[in-house]
Amino acid sequence: GAVVSQHPSRVICKSGTSVKIECRSLDFQATTMFWYRQFPKKSLMLMATSNEGSKATYEQGVEKDKFLINHASLTLSTLTVTSAHPEDSSFYICSASRRGAHQETQYFGPGTRLLVL
Amino acid sequence: DQQVKQNSPSLSVQEGRISILNCDYTNSMFDYFLWYKKYPAEGPTFLISISSIKDKNEDGRFTVFLNKSAKHLSLHIVPSQPGDSAVYFCAASFGGGADGLTFGKGTHLIIQP
Repeated sequence: GAVVSQHPSRVICKSGTSVKIECRSLDFQATTMFWYRQFPKKSLMLMATSNEGSKATYEQGVEKDKFLINHASLTLSTLTVTSAHPEDSSFYICSASRRGAHQETQYFGPGTRLLVL
Repeated sequence: DQQVKQNSPSLSVQEGRISILNCDYTNSMFDYFLWYKKYPAEGPTFLISISSIKDKNEDGRFTVFLNKSAKHLSLHIVPSQPGDSAVYFCAASFGGGADGLTFGKGTHLIIQP
């Protein structure tokens, strides 16, 4: 299957600081990457859709100024949580979309556990 | 309002038997469905998918069935193995998978020895 990496896997930061999470597709080029968030014992919720070279599309209720997304190349997207607060503590997962013959399948990274103190 | 529903939070199946995980959706515009397997603190692993133009897709021990009129899909795992124990998420998408996924809440599958 396709390989997607995420870095860091775990980060602890102080309230008010910014944290950057990287998502890379290692063995394919992904024109579209997605960012999800998972709360404890909850499903994954789509935060934003990131297309290479253009602005990200955010889902309703997601603050674009707080969750900055940059998709600089076909293999790299970054999510920066700015001025982090304890309520931003969560499990953030990215996915990269791989185009097949008729459909696109999303392959997920291993996730990043963020804890804001 | 949940557009993708997995009504069984957990399912226990004996090793070697068939595991059947169910998923219902409400939005008839979904045209691509996927199943993912997930362990705690890890990203989901893609298992199998199906397009809305098909009613069945098979890959090894995994088969996904789609009933469009009932807006229902199911994942069959046969035979079930201990390593199949995990949380299984059903996901749906528009545009052949080009859009973000809408996930169900997951079903925790437990394979009993």
